[in-house]
Amino acid sequence: KNEVEQSPQNLTAQEGEFITINCSYSVGISALHWLQQHPGGGIVSLFMLSSGKKKHGRLIATINIQEKHSSLHITASHPRDSAVYICAVRSRGTDKLIFGTGTRLQVFP
Amino acid sequence: NAGVTQTPKFQVLKTGQSMTLQCAQDMNHNSMYWYRQDPGMGLRLIYYSASEGTTDKGEVPNGYNVSRLNKREFSLRLESAAPSQTSVYFCASKEHQSSYEQYFGPGTRLTVT
Repeated sequence: KNEVEQSPQNLTAQEGEFITINCSYSVGISALHWLQQHPGGGIVSLFMLSSGKKKHGRLIATINIQEKHSSLHITASHPRDSAVYICAVRSRGTDKLIFGTGTRLQVFP
Repeated sequence: NAGVTQTPKFQVLKTGQSMTLQCAQDMNHNSMYWYRQDPGMGLRLIYYSASEGTTDKGEVPNGYNVSRLNKREFSLRLESAAPSQTSVYFCASKEHQSSYEQYFGPGTRLTVT
C-alpha cells in the first residue's frame, strides 16, 4: 500500500463544476503539499499545509491531521485548470517528500 | 530569475550509452534534488544534496551518480543507460533542507532504446 494515496486517479468535469480531489496518507507528517503539473510537464507548488485550510483564488485546500486526509477543491472549474494535481507529504523526521501518483483532471467547455 | 533550469529537455539514448543531465538554480538555494517520474507512480527521489559539498542517496539511486559542482549546479549522470531508466527527470531546489517550499525545473524526458 502506498504511503500517499490520491483519489480519483482521473476526473473529467464540465466547465463551472465544483471539483474535489482527495489525498490520504499513512505516515507522520510535518506538512502536506499540493502541486500542479501542466501538460507541458512543469510542476508548480499550489499550497503547503500543516493544519486547517488555505484559499488562493478558486482553489481551497484543507487538511485533517487526525484523519490523515487532505482535500483540494476547485470552485467554478475552467478548462485551464486541466492538469495533474499531486499530493505530497513531508515525512516527519526525514524531511523527505513522499508523492502521490497524481489525479489527472480534464475540464471541458 | 530563471528559477531552476534543466538541460536537455529531451534525449534519446541507446542502451549502454552515458549522459549527464544538467540542473542549475539561481535562487541561492542550499538544497537540490533529483527525482524521476514514471507512469502510475509518484515522483521518486534519486539523489539529493543538502548543501554544497554533500550528496546522499534517495529512494532509487542505482544506476546513477551525481555531482554538486557548486552551489548553483547539481548534475545527474547515467554511466550505462538501461531501458528501465526511461523516465522524466525533475531537478528541484529549496533554500535549506528544512525549508518547506521546493521549486521544480521543467523536466528532462529521457528515452533509452
